[in-house]
Amino acid sequence: GNSVTQMEGPVTLSEEAFLTINCTYTATGYPSLFWYVQYPGEGLQLLLKATKADDKGSNKGFEATYRKETTSFHLEKGSVQVSDSAVYFCALSVTGGGADGLTFGKGTHLIIQP
Amino acid sequence: GAGVSQSPRYKVAKRGQDVALRCDPISGHVSLFWYQQALGQGPEFLTYFQNEAQLDKSGLPSDRFFAERPEGSVSTLKIQRTQQEDSAVYLCASSLVPGQGNQETQYFGPGTRLLVL
Repeated sequence: GNSVTQMEGPVTLSEEAFLTINCTYTATGYPSLFWYVQYPGEGLQLLLKATKADDKGSNKGFEATYRKETTSFHLEKGSVQVSDSAVYFCALSVTGGGADGLTFGKGTHLIIQP
Repeated sequence: GAGVSQSPRYKVAKRGQDVALRCDPISGHVSLFWYQQALGQGPEFLTYFQNEAQLDKSGLPSDRFFAERPEGSVSTLKIQRTQQEDSAVYLCASSLVPGQGNQETQYFGPGTRLLVL
């Protein structure tokens, strides 16, 4: 079956630090990969996505590269801000064979301290 | 509105009670999804509609869970004879294009937080 594993939190960093949140996956097909973010009191929002190997998704200073050889999609940001504090979810979707629903990881709570 | 809306936002039910959760997707979106998110966990897929057709209900945890989308827009998730383990946030998402679901962005509503006492 399909699954997503991401590093457990909370992850606590100081403002302007470098961020990496690890995400690895297993999939029966050829997935598309996503990072969603949930800010306090808000719903899930798409942060970035990549639909094929070696694609890089980017948004708001965040980046993630689809690595098929290591089945990974790690999220990175060079300099985090307090406003980046949120819960981040890695997810995948596989065409065909059933649902087009997303398979999510458990989420990583990121806390940025001023 | 511009986004996906859900109602009610919060629901407290006594064990054994039936509940109905509503989702209004973004206008014109063909695909609609329901997810269940337990505390401290990621969302888990429940069911998928393409217009009014329920194409996948493999994630529904029991036959107490039932979803419908009769006119291809608004959807209702119904839980009969609620149990304490049904306590969770129920998320609805919609996307524009059918048949390309693995690439198409899903837009999520704020969720309904259900507490079963």
